[in-house]
Amino acid sequence: DAGITQSPRHKVTETGTPVTLRCHQTENHRYMYWYRQDPGHGLRLIHYSYGVKDTDKGEVSDGYSVSRSKTEDFLLTLESATSSQTSVYFCAISEVGSSGNTIYFGEGSWLTVV
Amino acid sequence: AQTVTQSQPEMSVQEAETVTLSCTYDTSESDYYLFWYKQPPSRQMILVIRQEAYKQQNATENRFSVNFQKAAKSFSLKISDSQLGDAAMYFCASRNRDDKIIFGKGTRLHILP
Repeated sequence: DAGITQSPRHKVTETGTPVTLRCHQTENHRYMYWYRQDPGHGLRLIHYSYGVKDTDKGEVSDGYSVSRSKTEDFLLTLESATSSQTSVYFCAISEVGSSGNTIYFGEGSWLTVV
Repeated sequence: AQTVTQSQPEMSVQEAETVTLSCTYDTSESDYYLFWYKQPPSRQMILVIRQEAYKQQNATENRFSVNFQKAAKSFSLKISDSQLGDAAMYFCASRNRDDKIIFGKGTRLHILP
């Protein structure tokens, strides 16, 4: 299994509070992604990173920011959490080349905004 | 824009039978990758099969195979000899040269004993 750790795995927070989810990898992969999974919507890309300090927006980036100061860590921040951000968040990592472009996923972080 | 469409929210198949899950995608690029992922109730994401767009030969992995129609931008997954353990949500995904990876909404597959 790919070395991906998401933290926290479960969190309940109040509307309006900031929340940061962390994705940590031990694979030294260049690419890291944050997705949210909601019923009827599948996995939607929030932000992704193609290197240290190199990030780009995905399909549903409003209300979210990210940072990547080290290869191994990709942080997702909800500046002011809203109930619509209640979701399961998945981190993924990837590399290109002969490894075949496989995407590895973390186990998910369950976030509830009340 | 890069899009992936799975038009079947749910499907059912009898155990030991064959089922095909549909996926269409849209991209302006000629070089890209396509994937099928399986998500069982545990929520773990498991790679089922992968296809490079420049390869004309359809990818196969044991009981899983794809029908890749590049001109039609279609990438269907065929599961042969369906087993109870195949019950899961299946996601189709595409990866372009900008390395953005986009998923479809998924198809929930039920296996009937």
